[in-house]
Amino acid sequence: EVQLVESGGGLVQPGGSLKLSCAASGFTFSSYWMSWVRQAPGKGLEWVANIKQDGSEKYYVDSVKGRFTISRDNSKNSLYLQMNSLRVEDTAVYSCVRDGCLGLQGVVCYWGQGALVTVSS
Amino acid sequence: EIVMTQSPATLSVSPGERVTLSCRASQSVSTKLAWYQQKPGQPPRLFIYGASARATGIPARFSGSGSGTEFTLTISSLQSEDFAVYYCQQYNNWPPMYTFGQGTKLEI
Repeated sequence: EVQLVESGGGLVQPGGSLKLSCAASGFTFSSYWMSWVRQAPGKGLEWVANIKQDGSEKYYVDSVKGRFTISRDNSKNSLYLQMNSLRVEDTAVYSCVRDGCLGLQGVVCYWGQGALVTVSS
Repeated sequence: EIVMTQSPATLSVSPGERVTLSCRASQSVSTKLAWYQQKPGQPPRLFIYGASARATGIPARFSGSGSGTEFTLTISSLQSEDFAVYYCQQYNNWPPMYTFGQGTKLEI
């Protein structure tokens, strides 16, 4: 059974930093692109960043470029999101997702339950 | 960036009704369009991919259509378990990214 379990969320002041982790199990982690998707309270879904299987390619939504860094450790079946210079508008539930559902890149079948990040003074 | 626009934002409907949700892309995404259902407190669930193919376990009352920039999700006869938020998502310019619509909420 595929499982994605996020951790590391919490309350942080504007300008602060936080690092999210995602522990993956039930599939060959090193074979899949992985992404972070966020959802602000009461709002829709927003893709944040993704990373290729070997970590050689990384992409970000414009609003987080230069502030967030996605990474992975295939030996630990783990995905990470380092978030710096956090803003109030970054407040959201951040979910780890596995790309490549049904062999279709960009389609998502598996999501974690998410980690809540609250940026507030 | 491809912008996805869904309409309406909220749809008040009754069980048994036929409903059509719309999704428009700011530029062509071919048929690389997916629909997801999300219920409160749960992650989204894939319902439709390739604009019209139902994912595993999705009832036949759900159907998707469209190509290019205009897409629809139709529910032929609403059941109580269908009340949720539906998101469309384009994956035509993946990598690097994919984008979601803002969602349509089906409410009683």
